[in-house]
Amino acid sequence: SAVISQKPSRDICQRGTSLTIQCQVDSQVTMMFWYRQQPGQSLTLIATANQGSEATYESGFVIDKFPISRPNLTFSTLTVSNMSPEDSSIYLCSVDGGRGYGYTFGSGTRLTVV
Amino acid sequence: DAKTTQPTSMDCAEGRAANLPCNHSTISGNEYVYWYRQIHSQGPQYIIHGLKNNETNEMASLIITEDRKSSTLILPHATLRDTAVYYCIVRVAESGGSNYKLTFGKGTLLTVNP
Repeated sequence: SAVISQKPSRDICQRGTSLTIQCQVDSQVTMMFWYRQQPGQSLTLIATANQGSEATYESGFVIDKFPISRPNLTFSTLTVSNMSPEDSSIYLCSVDGGRGYGYTFGSGTRLTVV
Repeated sequence: DAKTTQPTSMDCAEGRAANLPCNHSTISGNEYVYWYRQIHSQGPQYIIHGLKNNETNEMASLIITEDRKSSTLILPHATLRDTAVYYCIVRVAESGGSNYKLTFGKGTLLTVNP
């Protein structure tokens, strides 16, 4: 199954600033997914990133706040813009590992906004 | 909308079998049952999935009732490292396709005790 490298693993940021999270996959994948996990909560899908097209955002998430890039089939970035303390969460990227493997997740980026 | 129902928490003694139930009474004929787990501070890990037949792999067994309205994940010999939140998810398509989303519920916190 696919192996994902996600950076940074954690960060502490000032409110009003932006953070870009990187997700690198060791194989080419069509779709990459970005999730948010707020403290003590389950995972919520933010958006789906297809290479060569605009990302598809879930209800409650907008491109201005969470711009996504997908320059090729092995890489994606998620930016958390104009951060506030409410954005403090774990952000995870995921890819479809293929038939029989389920989805593979990165280890996550633990973001704290102060 | 929650499509699965799981107990909030369960305990299991180390070395014993852990049986985690999941109700999915509204499952459609083309929906698969997936199980993931999330160990503290890590990304979710795929465990197993099935459509209607029982499945077994090196991690666990999945028992799906004949009417497919419920399933049980079995960890045959639980260890302390199996302490995690276990998510039961139903999803159309085994891999890829247009119905790709994984919708996470609250899951079951399994605590394996020494």
